[in-house]
Amino acid sequence: DGGITQSPKYLFRKEGQNVTLSCEQNLNHDAMYWYRQDPGQGLRLIYYSQIVNDFQKGDIAEGYSVSREKKESFPLTVTSAQKNPTAFYLCASNPGQGLGEQYFGPGTRLTVT
Amino acid sequence: QQQVKQSPQSLIVQKGGISIINCAYENTAFDYFPWYQQFPGKGPALLIAIRPDVSEKKEGRFTISFNKSAKQFSLHIMDSQPGDSATYFCAARNFNKFYFGSGTKLNVKP
Repeated sequence: DGGITQSPKYLFRKEGQNVTLSCEQNLNHDAMYWYRQDPGQGLRLIYYSQIVNDFQKGDIAEGYSVSREKKESFPLTVTSAQKNPTAFYLCASNPGQGLGEQYFGPGTRLTVT
Repeated sequence: QQQVKQSPQSLIVQKGGISIINCAYENTAFDYFPWYQQFPGKGPALLIAIRPDVSEKKEGRFTISFNKSAKQFSLHIMDSQPGDSATYFCAARNFNKFYFGSGTKLNVKP
């Protein structure tokens, strides 16, 4: 089965702790993305990567960090600098080269208390 | 500023009716316009998509109408069903970056 997996589905952390969200794809896509979705809101781009070892900030990158060491993996770290980290986080991928549509993972709901 | 503007924010339709969601954009560099359907607690799933050289695309009960000169596109859901109740997002692509509308929450009453 080809697709995008995100783990875990639910994540709980205490304020002040860093937390890493996993995203893996076996679609052989070059481009990967992280979005944040708040209740009743649209999708806001955090970071995206068009190729291994390269990534760009999206609209709300402050308090987040990413790495892209492998084509299939794009983990997102929510740092303690993120003021309001509780949200639904979505990972997505796209073939790259300006082709195709974006495919989304099932999401991770992060709750920080 | 929002690159893709979507309306309405919410929509209530009776079963069997037509649901219409509208989107508008300004950037003429956009070259692909997908629509996504999202159920609560799930990731968005691609529903239907269109390229700007086509004025209409139909897949089953779902139709995209595209007006390039007006920079507008819309999703029509014919014979709406309670199972269509979800949030719908329009999007536009510029190379590898996608811009999303703010979403429309559709409620189809039985």
